[in-house]
Amino acid sequence: DAGVIQSPRHEVTEMGQEVTLRCKPISGHDYLFWYRQTMMRGLELLIYFNNNVPIDDSGMPEDRFSAKMPNASFSTLKIQPSEPRDSAVYFCASSPERGYQQPQHFGDGTRLSIL
Amino acid sequence: DQQVKQNSPSLSVQEGRISILNCDYTNSMFDYFLWYKKYPAEGPTFLISISSIKDKNEDGRFTVFLNKSAKHLSLHIVPSQPGDSAVYFCAASRNTNAGKSTFGDGTTLTVKP
Repeated sequence: DAGVIQSPRHEVTEMGQEVTLRCKPISGHDYLFWYRQTMMRGLELLIYFNNNVPIDDSGMPEDRFSAKMPNASFSTLKIQPSEPRDSAVYFCASSPERGYQQPQHFGDGTRLSIL
Repeated sequence: DQQVKQNSPSLSVQEGRISILNCDYTNSMFDYFLWYKKYPAEGPTFLISISSIKDKNEDGRFTVFLNKSAKHLSLHIVPSQPGDSAVYFCAASRNTNAGKSTFGDGTTLTVKP
């Protein structure tokens, strides 16, 4: 069974450019999470969805960040315009219903570098 | 306010010995706790969990202990192996926030052969 798939694995772009990160959750999972990992802030939750509906976006740092989940098998995290401080590893994770007692399954992350 | 804290950024242990990783939390509403392991260039993977109705859960070489009164949990690895070298994250959840976990900053474990 395929795990959570993220693309691209690495992204290097210049400040001001739009960045789109993609995630395909595990089939049948009802929850999808976006995290950001940095040395300074550790692993922080940005937003999560339940059945394609955003439930909590309180971790989204500012309006430059947006996330969508148009269907159960696809989600995007977009940064526009990007800034050097957005450089981090972004993880997507999914879990089945009754999620609070279910472990999350993580993708291998997208390493984003904004120059 | 960091609700889940792993105060030791790193831990070094000799192969065959016990590794003890610690985690403290401040929110008494948390009722489920998980440990994840992360290798470089990979995402975290689930290792072991414990419900607040228990004080111990064991899975092979891995045991998690929960002390609710102290709001403290620990992960014991016995015996430690070089392949256990990774970053270990503690995470906490509560029923009213179904699906959401709060993660600690992680502890890097190095097991020396």
